[in-house]
Amino acid sequence: GENVEQHPSTLSVQEGDSAVIKCTYSDSASNYFPWYKQELGKRPQLIIDIRSNVGEKKDQRIAVTLNKTAKHFSLHITETQPEDSAVYFCAATPPNTGNQFYFGTGTSLTVIP
Amino acid sequence: NAGVMQNPRHLVRRRGQEARLRCSPMKGHSHVYWYRQLPEEGLKFMVYLQKENIIDESGMPKERFSAEFPKEGPSILRIQQVVRGDSAAYFCASSQRDRRSPLHFGNGTRLTVT
Repeated sequence: GENVEQHPSTLSVQEGDSAVIKCTYSDSASNYFPWYKQELGKRPQLIIDIRSNVGEKKDQRIAVTLNKTAKHFSLHITETQPEDSAVYFCAATPPNTGNQFYFGTGTSLTVIP
Repeated sequence: NAGVMQNPRHLVRRRGQEARLRCSPMKGHSHVYWYRQLPEEGLKFMVYLQKENIIDESGMPKERFSAEFPKEGPSILRIQQVVRGDSAAYFCASSQRDRRSPLHFGNGTRLTVT
């Protein structure tokens, strides 16, 4: 089955700096890659996603890039703010598993004011 | 459009009792997933269901745990004879039938076994 690895597990940045979280996947057929943000004590919420026919997608301060050849995708947050502090999870979905999602282990991001 | 509804939000059970966690998917969603999360840990997949079918239960312990998603009514995650190690947050998520549609999570049920 699909295996998703996520790095780093923890990340601290100064407010205003950029943060980058990277994920790799093993199944080259995976074609959908969502990112979720989970604040303390709350549910994971979708913040951005990318499909395999696109190399990059941007939504205000958040962007995701996908390199299908290398089988990795990354989340980029620019001009970080304290409210960006949360745990971020990446996921990959192979097409031959119904609609099964394989999650990374999460990155705890702390933005220092 | 109401989101994924889970209840109860908090559930306290004594060792040996049964826990029943309920999940109503978003309107129009036919896939339901259950995840377990320990404090400061990731989302551990348990089971994936469609109406009246279990698609993948590879993450669910073979004993004491069961899940269903009947034709009518919510999905139920049932834990029999709970032990302290079952204490965790249990999140339900739902998605549309379309592959490559995102998961939407409920607010979770926090189970405490005393």
